[in-house]
Amino acid sequence: SSELTQDPAVSVALGQTVNITCQGDSLRTYFASWYQQKPGQAPILVIFGKNSRPSGIPHRFSGSNSGNTASLTITGAQAEDEADYYCNSRDSSGDHWVFGGGAKLTVL
Amino acid sequence: QVQLQESGPGLVKPSETVSLTCTVSGASISSYYWSWIRQPPGKGLEWIGYIDYSGRTNYNPSLRSRVTISDDKSKNQFSLKLNSVTAADTAVYYCARVLWSGHPIFDYWGQGTLVTVSS
Repeated sequence: SSELTQDPAVSVALGQTVNITCQGDSLRTYFASWYQQKPGQAPILVIFGKNSRPSGIPHRFSGSNSGNTASLTITGAQAEDEADYYCNSRDSSGDHWVFGGGAKLTVL
Repeated sequence: QVQLQESGPGLVKPSETVSLTCTVSGASISSYYWSWIRQPPGKGLEWIGYIDYSGRTNYNPSLRSRVTISDDKSKNQFSLKLNSVTAADTAVYYCARVLWSGHPIFDYWGQGTLVTVSS
């Protein structure tokens, strides 16, 4: 089991807003980074830090943090956003790194 | 443009050691952190460990006894050795560059290489 917990399946209607959450004690102290992975491809970074996007990531992706939960929000989800999403941060000891179990996003 | 490319054997026998190399272009491994991550078929990502610009390493506690990450700055490469492999080590292995900002940020990834453990 992972120290970062994600709901394994999330769905959203096309054009609507969806929140993908990541819970863990370490998130009270450390930020998470978020990765999108499509079938057969390597993950790509979509959000890091408080709420930063790498160059090339659409503005509809945003991040937030509250207590032990980090959230990735997609505002106006598109069909191409259908993918697996993983969070990552430091573990509860702070000494090692850990990925969440992943959330499969379906765009209806 | 930063690029990472994994290389190594696609098939390894149980109990043997798998050795993978990540060749980096567009960035120097004398800067940043460099990490290995793996993904068993149909499953999630698992962080294996990292080596930093000074050669310091840090490993996933669940793999620490079997893992070694090293670098070759003359070739701008870093490597992974995982010994005593079993079928559970069958996975796509990725290398990645890591920015450090109090938490890890994997900003560039290799395409991944599938390692199958089978006799």
